[in-house]
Amino acid sequence: KAGVTQTPRYLIKTRGQQVTLSCSPISGHRSVSWYQQTPGQGLQFLFEYFSETQRNKGNFPGRFSGRQFSNSRSEMNVSTLELGDSALYLCASSLGRREGNNTEAFFGQGTRLTVV
Amino acid sequence: AQSVTQPDIHITVSEGASLELRCNYSYGATPYLFWYVQSPGQGLQLLLKYFSGDTLVQGIKGFEAEFKRSQSSFNLRKPSVHWSDAAEYFCAVGARAGNTPLVFGKGTRLSVIA
Repeated sequence: KAGVTQTPRYLIKTRGQQVTLSCSPISGHRSVSWYQQTPGQGLQFLFEYFSETQRNKGNFPGRFSGRQFSNSRSEMNVSTLELGDSALYLCASSLGRREGNNTEAFFGQGTRLTVV
Repeated sequence: AQSVTQPDIHITVSEGASLELRCNYSYGATPYLFWYVQSPGQGLQLLLKYFSGDTLVQGIKGFEAEFKRSQSSFNLRKPSVHWSDAAEYFCAVGARAGNTPLVFGKGTRLSVIA
């Protein structure tokens, strides 16, 4: 079974530009979560999508947005990039049951975004 | 609020020596607990998880962890470290039910010397 696939692996953008990152979850997984990882702040939760609906949202500005498609693939968009947005962006997929017990999350390799 | 503390930012051990990485959590109820490992520039790989039952759980690569409810701890252990174990290790806590996201510790970087 294929793992979580994130594209692209590396990106260099200029301040003020926007960027879109993509995540394909494990087949059969309906929940996709996004995390930002930086040396200073560690892993911070951005948002989670389940069945095309945002189910949870972290404490990030509105410049960070996402969506999920009917095939569970997810995209994350960051508009008006700032230098501080430079980070490793990680996507995690899980079964994401609507009710009952949660399951473990499996992570992709990440997208390394550098804003110059 | 949920939180995870990994007290050791960086640990150095000799190859073949034993290892214990500490993790303490704060949670309203008994949570799900996880350990992940991350090699430089890579994503996170799940090492092991605790959901219920036996408090000593076995994972991949020879790792194990013990859940101690009274100490709110979930320490990761390995009897004999290999040079390839050098990486960053993250402890995470999650809700047993509902939709709250995982909360991660800040990580412990493990260096292995010959």
